[in-house]
Amino acid sequence: TQLLEQSPQFLSIQEGENLTVYCNSSSVFSSLQWYRQEPGEGPVLLVTVVTGGEVKKLKRLTFQFGDARKDSSLHITAAQPGDTGLYLCAGGNFGNEKLTFGTGTRLTIIP
Amino acid sequence: DTGVSQDPRHKITKRGQNVTFRCDPISEHNRLYWYRQTLGQGPEFLTYFQNEAQLEKSRLLSDRFSAERPKGSFSTLEIQRTEQGDSAMYLCASSPWVGGKLFFGSGTQLSVL
Repeated sequence: TQLLEQSPQFLSIQEGENLTVYCNSSSVFSSLQWYRQEPGEGPVLLVTVVTGGEVKKLKRLTFQFGDARKDSSLHITAAQPGDTGLYLCAGGNFGNEKLTFGTGTRLTIIP
Repeated sequence: DTGVSQDPRHKITKRGQNVTFRCDPISEHNRLYWYRQTLGQGPEFLTYFQNEAQLEKSRLLSDRFSAERPKGSFSTLEIQRTEQGDSAMYLCASSPWVGGKLFFGSGTQLSVL
């Protein structure tokens, strides 16, 4: 069974600060996705990374896929209250329709 | 494109009752997925359809659970003889092709008393 552990589980920081959340597994994934979920809503895809070592930027968010494709990180620069939410990583494998989701990081940005 | 629609948004039921949820995917998305999310956890895969064919079911999907997608359009998820452990958010997602972006609905929050 493939598992994805995310850390920290909870994070509360002041507006304007930087932060990094992590997604780790002992298994290799073909792709890694990051989602943000608001309370009472479904997850919304932020980015997909597929190549070991790949870095993608989405405005103030930087996503990195580990060289061995077992881990990933999400870095947010100058956090804003609108970044508040549950951040989920999800691993996928070619030929397999199922995504394995991580345990989530609940982020709160304090104005 | 109106997005993935799920109905109802909330369902409260008594233990032992049957419940049915509906999901309307984005039109022309041939792949439809059901996930379950409990409080404080990430979503867990339940099952998926390619058009009307149910191609994979998780071991989480006990024999009390059944899903259908007649005519390859909307899907229903039925839970028979509900148990308190079934309380969760049931999420539906659709995708236009394998490996494509998943579009999630807002979910159905089930509470079993």
